[in-house]
Amino acid sequence: DVKVTQSSRYLVKRTGEKVFLECVQDMDHENMFWYRQDPGLGLRLIYFSYDVKMKEKGDIPEGYSVSREKKERFSLILESASTNQTSMYLCASASGTSGGLSTDTQYFGPGTRLTVL
Amino acid sequence: GQQLNQSPQSMFIQEGEDVSMNCTSSSIFNTWLWYKQDPGEGPVLLIALYKAGELTSNGRLTAQFGITRKDSFLNISASIPSDVGIYFCAGLYNQGGKLIFGQGTELSVKP
Repeated sequence: DVKVTQSSRYLVKRTGEKVFLECVQDMDHENMFWYRQDPGLGLRLIYFSYDVKMKEKGDIPEGYSVSREKKERFSLILESASTNQTSMYLCASASGTSGGLSTDTQYFGPGTRLTVL
Repeated sequence: GQQLNQSPQSMFIQEGEDVSMNCTSSSIFNTWLWYKQDPGEGPVLLIALYKAGELTSNGRLTAQFGITRKDSFLNISASIPSDVGIYFCAGLYNQGGKLIFGQGTELSVKP
């Protein structure tokens, strides 16, 4: 079974803090994704990566950055957290194809509920 | 850009009833996926559809990939309390490889 883990289930931070959300997958997937989920807005793609050290902006990248130094790990960074970044953050991975952007089925982690005070 | 319309937004049903929900798109997709999300958890894949017209079952769940490739349906038969959750459809947008998600259908089942 595919396993996607996220470093924290719940996180509380203060405005202006730098926040790191970590995601690890154990299936040697090439593609990894970060979403945020808000009531009434569904899942919105923040960033994705189709290879180590590669990253692509999703639909709402403002205020976020990402890092993919190893294939199995994809980090989401909030450089200076703000209250409007309070949300549920979901990481996903997919097998994809080498060097391309096509993706296979995405498998999700359990989510990190971030509250910014 | 690509949009998916999922309906209904919410459903309140009695245990034992059948459930239907659907997603429609203005564009063609090559893959349709259905996920379920329990409260406080990440979405879990239920069914994946890869061909137009395909009908696939997973226990009491049945999903179909519409012939026009612009829609998909999920049916749940004989609902039980543990079916409670949010169901999402997702379509694979081939150019760019990004999944497009529906807004979700929140299902409540009364015992």
